Amino acid sequence: EVQLLESGGGLVQPGGSLRLSCAASGFTFSSYAMSWVRQAPGKGLEWVSFISVSGGKTYYADSVKGRFTISRDNSKSTLYLQMNSLRAEDTAVYYCAKDADDLYCVGGSCYFDYWGQGTLVTVSS
Amino acid sequence: DIQMTQSPSTLSASVGDRVTITCRASQSISSWLAWYQQKPGKAPKVLIHKASSLESGVPSRFSGSGSGTEFTLTISSLQPDDFATYYCQQYNTYLYTFGQGTRLEIK
Repeated sequence: EVQLLESGGGLVQPGGSLRLSCAASGFTFSSYAMSWVRQAPGKGLEWVSFISVSGGKTYYADSVKGRFTISRDNSKSTLYLQMNSLRAEDTAVYYCAKDADDLYCVGGSCYFDYWGQGTLVTVSS
Repeated sequence: DIQMTQSPSTLSASVGDRVTITCRASQSISSWLAWYQQKPGKAPKVLIHKASSLESGVPSRFSGSGSGTEFTLTISSLQPDDFATYYCQQYNTYLYTFGQGTRLEIK
């Protein structure tokens, strides 16, 4: 059974930093690209960042570029999101999401077939 | 970036109704569109990928259609479990974008 378990959320002051983790199990983590998606309270879904299977390609939403860094450790089956210079507008539930099989994807970009349960990040003084 | 626009934002319907949600892309995304269902406090769940392919385990009352810039999600006969929020997502490019969501509520 595929499981994605996020951790690391919490309350942080504006300008602070936080590192989120997503522990994966039930599939070959090193074979799938991964993303982070967030959802502000009462709002819709916003894709945040993507990382390729090897970690060699990363992409970011404009809203977080230069402040957030996505990474992965395939030996630990874990995805990370380092968040710096946090702002009130970064307050959200952060989900990690697994790309579907390559068969269903286009040029490496894909939809998400599994999501974690999410971890809440609150940026407030 | 590709913008995704869903309509309506809210839809009121009754059990047994047939409902349709529309998603429009700001430029062509071929058929690289997915639909998700989200219930309060839960992660999204994929229903449809590649515009019209039903994800394994999803009831056949859900269907998707469209290509290019206009897409629809149809629920043929609403069940109590279907009242939720629905999102479209384009994956034509790595800069993935979601529609703003359609909340389906009980009339």
